[in-house]
Amino acid sequence: DQQVKQNSPSLSVQEGRISILNCDYTNSMFDYFLWYKKYPAEGPTFLISISSIKDKNEDGRFTVFLNKSAKHLSLHIVPSQPGDSAVYFCASSAYGGGSNYKLTFGKGTLLTVNP
Amino acid sequence: NAGVTQTPKFQVLKTGQSMTLQCAQDMNHEYMSWYRQDPGMGLRLIHYSVGAGITDQGEVPNGYNVSRSTTEDFPLRLLSAAPSQTSVYFCASSPRTGSETQYFGPGTRLLVL
Repeated sequence: DQQVKQNSPSLSVQEGRISILNCDYTNSMFDYFLWYKKYPAEGPTFLISISSIKDKNEDGRFTVFLNKSAKHLSLHIVPSQPGDSAVYFCASSAYGGGSNYKLTFGKGTLLTVNP
Repeated sequence: NAGVTQTPKFQVLKTGQSMTLQCAQDMNHEYMSWYRQDPGMGLRLIHYSVGAGITDQGEVPNGYNVSRSTTEDFPLRLLSAAPSQTSVYFCASSPRTGSETQYFGPGTRLLVL
């Protein structure tokens, strides 16, 4: 039972345009959501997070949106740069209760930004 | 701070051999964990620890052992390697619990022949 789903295995965008990566979750106990970025042969690096009390969080070119009623979050990258080309993982946790011992990860989306 | 470090970077084993993957962190984090990443599978939790002397199983613990004798170190032991354990292994840590932001090491690529 996949509790965190990234339905697009890959996404290709042009440099300077917006990249939108999507993530859906099924566990209503999840209240903390993160995005990680992973380059080949490196470990995942934390990018941005959002708690369930917010619906938007911004950090420079990166914005995460949370729609709790739809159990959906998205990561917007504006403008996209070739250096953003990487695999992006969505992750969720039940920070406020329930299973607070782990993050549950999606399968990842490979973003390619073309010059 | 070096953050989370892992050794070795790459290892080839024969079926039935044992080995230990090392993980260390210098951030005084209480929580540490091991994940494996397989193509199309995302990151799956193997074992985790909420503090020195305390460990527990994650989603895919079979064939692996862990111990946590110090806050800094969290080694992962493969008891008798199998080809199904060919994977990339990541260690991660966070200040208190597994449900907050975790910080990952660079990974160990393991090939079991």
